Amino acid sequence: QVQLVQSGVEVQRPGASVKVSCKASGYTFASYTITWVRQAPGQGPEWMGWISPDNGNTDLAQNLQGRVTMTTDTSASTAYMELRSLRSDDTAVYYCARSMLDGGTSRFDYWGQGTLVTVSS
Amino acid sequence: DIQMTQSPLSLSASVEDRVTIACRASQSIGSYLNWYQQKPGKAPELLIYAASSLQSGVPSRFSGSGSGTYFTLTISSLQPEDFATYYCQQSYSTPLTFGGGTKVEIK
Repeated sequence: QVQLVQSGVEVQRPGASVKVSCKASGYTFASYTITWVRQAPGQGPEWMGWISPDNGNTDLAQNLQGRVTMTTDTSASTAYMELRSLRSDDTAVYYCARSMLDGGTSRFDYWGQGTLVTVSS
Repeated sequence: DIQMTQSPLSLSASVEDRVTIACRASQSIGSYLNWYQQKPGKAPELLIYAASSLQSGVPSRFSGSGSGTYFTLTISSLQPEDFATYYCQQSYSTPLTFGGGTKVEIK
């Protein structure tokens, strides 16, 4: 069965960096884009961007460009999201999701369990 | 960016009620619209994709309709496990965007 398992809770100071991992199993990792979505407390989800594991191509949300890097290690079936220069408003649960691309549309059909990142001095 | 607006923000309903949630896009998105259910402390789960296609394993009481700028999610007979928050999401163009959510509560 398809599973995405994320790394654990993170507490970081403002200005620091965080790197969240997402290990996939149960499917061919290189065949599906991985999307990163975050959700601040009490808010709706926010798309951060996605990465194609087969070629490393990314499409990142403009408001995060320059602070976020998405990478994959296909040998380990793992995706990574690194966010730098953390601010208090980066406090959120961060999710990875498998993206099914089909006939020009996309959908997030499997999700990781989420990683809480708290930014606090 | 395409803005997604859901209504109502919340609703109270009873078991076996028929419930409809609306979602409007700020520009035409064809049928590039997905619906997710989220329960507290859990990741969202895909219910409907491409406006009206039921995701595998999702009960048939869930249905979606619409195209262009106006979409609806309908639960034909609300069950106790359906009390949750529902989000629409456009997949027409990046940045992909979500609605603000509709919380379905027990009356």
